[in-house]
Amino acid sequence: KNEVEQSPQNLTAQEGEFITINCSYSVGISALHWLQQHPGGGIVSLFMLSSGKKKHGRLIATINIQEKHSSLHITASHPRDSAVYICAVEGSNYQLIWGAGTKLIIKP
Amino acid sequence: EPEVTQTPSHQVTQMGQEVILRCVPISNHLYFYWYRQILGQKVEFLVSFYNNEISEKSEIFDDQFSVERPDGSNFTLKIRSTKLEDSAMYFCASMTGSPMTDTQYFGPGTRLTVL
Repeated sequence: KNEVEQSPQNLTAQEGEFITINCSYSVGISALHWLQQHPGGGIVSLFMLSSGKKKHGRLIATINIQEKHSSLHITASHPRDSAVYICAVEGSNYQLIWGAGTKLIIKP
Repeated sequence: EPEVTQTPSHQVTQMGQEVILRCVPISNHLYFYWYRQILGQKVEFLVSFYNNEISEKSEIFDDQFSVERPDGSNFTLKIRSTKLEDSAMYFCASMTGSPMTDTQYFGPGTRLTVL
């Protein structure tokens, strides 16, 4: 059984739409990360969460520890948001256990 | 802005050869990681390194793999005898000494192709 499950696997939306990507995990964690992988392969950390909600620009991340669930939202989506968004949970030595990612395409 | 660098960006090698992938973490960081991503698959944890020793390793990180921090700046991943299935993108990451508040910073990756 995968420890980190993301949905949807692929998401195509029109520019301006509100985007939600979901992540569920099966293990107890100290923190959950949302990362962005660009088409060229580069990886950027977006958020680290251990509780509640964080906001950075048009990105919002929430986590519900009891339900072992997190969401990443993008408001007023733009074609430059097109990327793979990955949820990962921290292991005992802060190593990341990764989900499979959600490929997001925003059409103009 | 400080960044993690990796060399080479692409390495092609023959099966059975040894390869060394190099990373220069951000200078004040204390935690170091190697991850790999086989084409079309998810990123997988290989090894974490702290205080000059391995703190955690995955099942993938068998005796063919080793890591070193030889000079206080470089962080290397060695694969002794490469196999075809070692072909992947290898990412190095580093983090400060505040794991509860900091995120990991990733290098651009080294694409390893084993022929």
